[in-house]
Amino acid sequence: DGGITQSPKYLFRKEGQNVTLSCEQNLNHDAMYWYRQDPGQGLRLIYYSQIVNDFQKGDIAEGYSVSREKKESFPLTVTSAQKNPTAFYLCASSIGGRAGNEQFFGPGTRLTVL
Amino acid sequence: AQSVTQLGSHVSVSEGALVLLRCNYSSSVPPYLFWYVQYPNQGLQLLLKYTSAATLVKGINGFEAEFKKSETSFHLTKPSAHMSDAAEYFCAVSGDTGGFKTIFGAGTRLFVKA
Repeated sequence: DGGITQSPKYLFRKEGQNVTLSCEQNLNHDAMYWYRQDPGQGLRLIYYSQIVNDFQKGDIAEGYSVSREKKESFPLTVTSAQKNPTAFYLCASSIGGRAGNEQFFGPGTRLTVL
Repeated sequence: AQSVTQLGSHVSVSEGALVLLRCNYSSSVPPYLFWYVQYPNQGLQLLLKYTSAATLVKGINGFEAEFKKSETSFHLTKPSAHMSDAAEYFCAVSGDTGGFKTIFGAGTRLFVKA
C-alpha cells in the first residue's frame, strides 16, 4: 500500500541533544512538508521541499534542519537550538508543490524533551 | 496573505444530531479550501476539498461543505452525527499568489454524546 511512514512514533530526548525524525513516502510525490502541531494552534509549517535537493524554510524553521537527498525521504532534525521542541510532528507529501493539491499525512511522531 | 478562522475550538452534539463546524477564510485570490480530520494520535486525512468546480462539495463519511464567496465561508456539515465522528477537524486554505503553502485553522474538536 502507498503511504507515508514516520518513525519513531514516540521519541524522548534530553535537553541539549539533537534528534532526527524519519519520514518516508512511496507515493512518488515531488513535494514534502514538515509541520509542528501544538494544542489549540493547528499546524505550523517548519520546512518544505518541492523537489529533490531543494527545500525552503517555513514559518517556524529556527532550531530545525532538513535534507532531501532522495525523492522518498525527508528527515527532520530537531537541534538543541530549538527552545521548546516538545510537540507532535507531522510529515506530509503532495503530488506537486501547487496550490490545490491535497496533502497526504503520516501518522506523526510525538517528541518529548525530558 | 491568507488565513483561516474556525469558530469554536470545541463542539458537542448528540448522536444523530446535525453536525455544523464553521470555517471562514481570507484570501486575495480564488482559494482552494480543504477540510481534514484527525483522530487521536494520528495524522490528518482529507475529508473534502473545494476547487471551484461546484460550490457544494461532498466528502467521505457523509460530510459535505458549501463554499459561500459572499460570506467567505466554507462550513462543514453532516446531517446525523455518529460516535465515530468524534475527532478534530481542520479547515485549510491555499492558493495565494507567490506560493502553494496550505494554511491550517486552529482546529475544532467534535464530541459526540450517546
